Amino acid sequence: RKEVEQDPGPFNVPEGATVAFNCTYSNSASQSFFWYRQDCRKEPKLLMSVYSSGNEDGRFTAQLNRASQYISLLIRDSKLSDSATYLCAVNTGFQKLVFGTGTRLLVSP
Amino acid sequence: DVKVTQSSRYLVKRTGEKVFLECVQDMDHENMFWYRQDPGLGLRLIYFSYDVKMKEKGDIPEGYSVSREKKERFSLILESASTNQTSMYLCASTPGQNTGELFFGEGSRLTVL
Repeated sequence: RKEVEQDPGPFNVPEGATVAFNCTYSNSASQSFFWYRQDCRKEPKLLMSVYSSGNEDGRFTAQLNRASQYISLLIRDSKLSDSATYLCAVNTGFQKLVFGTGTRLLVSP
Repeated sequence: DVKVTQSSRYLVKRTGEKVFLECVQDMDHENMFWYRQDPGLGLRLIYFSYDVKMKEKGDIPEGYSVSREKKERFSLILESASTNQTSMYLCASTPGQNTGELFFGEGSRLTVL
C-alpha cells in the first residue's frame, strides 16, 4: 500500500460547482498534513496546511480525519483558475514530506 | 520572496554521462531536498540535507549522489546517467522549524538518450 494515495481524476466540473478531493495516508503516526497546488509545467506551491480542527481559507476548506486516516479538500464556487493538480502531502518526520500522486481538476465554463 | 533557482531547465544527456543538477536558495534555509516527479508516480524524495556537508537518503537514492558544500547550494549528481533517470527533477528548501512548507524551484527536465 502506498504511504499517501489520491484519486488521479481528472475531476471535470463546471464553474461555480463545489468539488471535494480525498487523500488517504497509511502511517497513523503522521503529524502534519498539507495541500499543494501544481499548475501545468510549474512547480508545486503550498495551498494550505491541514489542522486537526480543520481550516478554511476563502473558498477552500481542508479537513483531517485521523480515525479513518484521510484528509480532504473542498473547493466551493469553482473558478476556471482553480484548474490544476492538487497534491496532498504528509509529514513523516523531520520535514520529510511524502506526496500523493495528485488529483487533476478541470473547471470548465 | 523565497527564491529557489535550478541552474538548468532542460537538459539532454547520453547514457553513461555524468550529470550535475545545481540548486541555489537565497533564504538561508537549513533544509534542502531533491525530488523527481514522474507521471503516475508523483513526487519521490531522492536525497535531502539539513545542514552543510550533511546528507540523508530519501526513498529512491540509487543511482544518485548529492553535495552540500555551502548552505545555499545543493547539487544532485548522476554518476552515470541511464534512460530510467529521464524525469523532472525538483529542488526544494525549507527553514529549520517544522513548517511543512517546501519552496520549490522551477524544475529541471532531464532527458537521457
